[in-house]
Amino acid sequence: QKEVEQNSGPLSVPEGAIASLNCTYSDRGSQSFFWYRQYSGKSPELIMFIYSNGDKEDGRFTAQLNKASQYVSLLIRDSQPSDSATYLCAVNMDYGGSQGNLIFGKGTKLSVKP
Amino acid sequence: DGGITQSPKYLFRKEGQNVTLSCEQNLNHDAMYWYRQDPGQGLRLIYYSQIVNDFQKGDIAEGYSVSREKKESFPLTVTSAQKNPTAFYLCASRPFGPQAAQYFGPGTRLLVL
Repeated sequence: QKEVEQNSGPLSVPEGAIASLNCTYSDRGSQSFFWYRQYSGKSPELIMFIYSNGDKEDGRFTAQLNKASQYVSLLIRDSQPSDSATYLCAVNMDYGGSQGNLIFGKGTKLSVKP
Repeated sequence: DGGITQSPKYLFRKEGQNVTLSCEQNLNHDAMYWYRQDPGQGLRLIYYSQIVNDFQKGDIAEGYSVSREKKESFPLTVTSAQKNPTAFYLCASRPFGPQAAQYFGPGTRLLVL
């Protein structure tokens, strides 16, 4: 059973701090990794994707991937109250008939306090 | 505007009734997906389709049916066999390519009367 694990939180950080969200996955063959943000009552919105080991930065967001450790993380710098949401980690199944299917973690709820 | 639309936003089902949730996309995406989300749970895959006139069961297909007669449309029917249908239903689509992301519609919240 392929799994994606995240701490459910809530993770509480003060405004302006760095929020660090972590995700581990079980399938060594996974090649594509995604972070989605989901506000309460809304649908998930893609915010970052990463395919290669290392860091990928986009504005205040940085995704980090370590395939050897089967670990992917999302850093949010200068956190704002508007960043308060649940963050879903998703891993792509890149093989066989399930190519393109995603396995989702249950999400980490982030709360940014003013 | 390109995007994914789902309707209705809220849907009420009576016991023994079949209901159909609509999902349409004008992004020219090849693959489409249906997920169910329950409070405190992750997204669970119900059905997916990678090409027109073909679809596969996901992890929780029992009590659901789909069709894919057009590239743009992937409706989901919640049948009376689904005993616990109350959930948030999400449709997603994805362009061709092994590393492409999935993009979600706004969702339909199904409630049982």
